[in-house]
Formats: sequence, structure tokens, C-alpha cells
Amino acid sequence: GAVVSQHPSWVICKSGTSVKIECRSLDFQATTMFWYRQFPKQSLMLMATSNEGSKATYEQGVEKDKFLINHASLTLSTLTVTSAHPEDSSFYICGSEDGTGSYEQYFGPGTRLTVT
Amino acid sequence: GIQVEQSPPDLILQEGANSTLRCNFSDSVNNLQWFHQNPWGQLINLFYIPSGTKQNGRLSATTVATERYSLLYISSSQTTDSGVYFCAVEGLGNRDDKIIFGKGTRLHILP
Repeated sequence: GAVVSQHPSWVICKSGTSVKIECRSLDFQATTMFWYRQFPKQSLMLMATSNEGSKATYEQGVEKDKFLINHASLTLSTLTVTSAHPEDSSFYICGSEDGTGSYEQYFGPGTRLTVT
Repeated sequence: GIQVEQSPPDLILQEGANSTLRCNFSDSVNNLQWFHQNPWGQLINLFYIPSGTKQNGRLSATTVATERYSLLYISSSQTTDSGVYFCAVEGLGNRDDKIIFGKGTRLHILP
């Protein structure tokens, strides 16, 4: 199966600072990547669809100015949480199809963000 | 958008027992996947099964697309099977390939 990596795996930051999370497809090219967030004991909620070379598409209720997404290459998408607040503390996961034409999706190991 | 419902929400079993997890969805699908989320949060791909039946060791899955449900079977449960099992689907009419997750079934296998 396709391999997706994320960095960092966990991060602690202070309120008001910005944090960047990287999502990489290691053995395939991804024109589209998806960003999800997960609160404790809850399901994964889609935040946005990251499109290589164009603007991301955000789900309803997700602040695009707060969660900046950049998909500058076919193997890298980044999510920047700007002016982080404690309520942004969550588990962030990215995923993508593997580019073979199958609809199957693969996910990174996730990034746990704690804002103090 | 497409709705995904999983049942039961929680399941506690003794080691060695068998279990059946269910996923109902509200519309036709391009994609249906089952995942196991381990204690570290990693989503492990179990099955890609928009229709039909598949088996992998002690796990098997069946999707009846015409009736809009899928079942995940776990036989001879082990403590390492504990965790959350998610069903995720992509609607047939969806052009942006995004998949929507159900709320999951939290499985706890007792030694």
C-alpha cells in the first residue's frame, strides 16, 4: 500500500503562535490530499481538500484564514494553524488516494497538537 | 451529503470471541473502507470493499451495495484487536474523492 508520512508526530506550542504540519506521500504522487481533525473519543472530521497547485477547498465551518493549506508539490501538503488557541488542540491526520486510479485512501500517522 | 452510521458504538468481548461490526450508508458509493485506529492514532487500512466479500486472516468484510450496508467480522478476537474501527465512504456522485467517516465502534477485548 501507499505510504503517507506526517511531521511532526506531536507538537506543543503556546497560544498565539503558529504551527506547521507536513504531510508527504512517500511512494506516489498526490494531486489531492485531505486534512482531518479528530477530538478525543470522536470520529475524524474532514477539514479541507488540498489541491496541488491551486487553492484548498474548505468544509463548512472551517476557517480558511486560521488553517492555511499549501500543496506546492505532488508529494507535499502543509497545514499551518495560525494564532493557535487551546481549542485548536487536536489530532490532525492527512490522507490521499495512491494515484493508481483506485479510490482507496491511505493516511498518515497523525500529528497531535497541544496548545498551552 | 452521504450519511454513515456504525453500530454498535461500543463492544466489550472476551478474548477468543467473534464479533460483527456494521456500517450503514445512505447513498450509493464509489469507495467503502474499514480502518482500525490503533492506540497511537494511526489508521490501519483493513479493507477496501465498495462491494463483495474479502478476507484477510481472522478478519473478513462484506458489503451489500444494493442494501447500503457493510459488515466487518472479527473471529477469535485477540487483545491486540482492541481499538476503534471506522467505516468510511465516498458517495457515488462525489466528484472530489473525499471520504466521510462514521463515528466508529470502540472494541475492547478482555484477556
